Amino acid sequence: EVQLVESGGGLVKPGGSLRLSCAASGFTFSSYSMNWVRQAPGKGLEWVSSISSSSSYIYYADSVKGRFTISRDNAKNSLYLQMNSLRAEDTAVYYCARVLTSGWPNFDYWGQGTLVTVSS
Amino acid sequence: DIQMTQSPSSLSASVGDRVTITCRASQSISSYLNWYQQKPGKAPKLLIYAASSLQSGVPSRFSGSGSGTDFTLTISSLQPEDFATYYCQQSYSTLYSFGQGTKLEIK
Repeated sequence: EVQLVESGGGLVKPGGSLRLSCAASGFTFSSYSMNWVRQAPGKGLEWVSSISSSSSYIYYADSVKGRFTISRDNAKNSLYLQMNSLRAEDTAVYYCARVLTSGWPNFDYWGQGTLVTVSS
Repeated sequence: DIQMTQSPSSLSASVGDRVTITCRASQSISSYLNWYQQKPGKAPKLLIYAASSLQSGVPSRFSGSGSGTDFTLTISSLQPEDFATYYCQQSYSTLYSFGQGTKLEIK
């Protein structure tokens, strides 16, 4: 069974940093691109960042570029999001999602999410 | 970047109704269009990929159509468990983007 489990969320002050993790199991992690998607309270889904299976290709939304860094450790079946210079508008539930890229890309599995709150 | 616009933003309907949600892309995305369902407090769930392909395990009352810039998600006969928020997403660009969502409520 495919499982994605996020962790690392919490309360952080503006300007602070946080590192999110996503532990993957039930599939060959090193064969899949992975993404982070966030959802502010009461708002819609916002794609944040994408990383290819071998980390060769990395993309960011303009809203986080230069502040967030996506990475992965295929030996540990883990995905990460290092978030620096956090702002109030970064407050959201952060989901990791697997990308099925063969043919027509889609996010076929999602984690349960971890809440990040940026507040003084 | 590709902008995705859904309409309507919210919709009230009754069990048994046929419902259609529209999604428009700011440029042609061929058939690189996915639909997701999200219930409160839960992660999104993939319903349709490649504009019209039903994800495994999704009931056949859900269907998708369209190509280029205009797409639709249709639920042929609403069931109580279908009341949720629906999002479209383009996967033509790796700067994946979502529509703003359509909240489907019980009338």
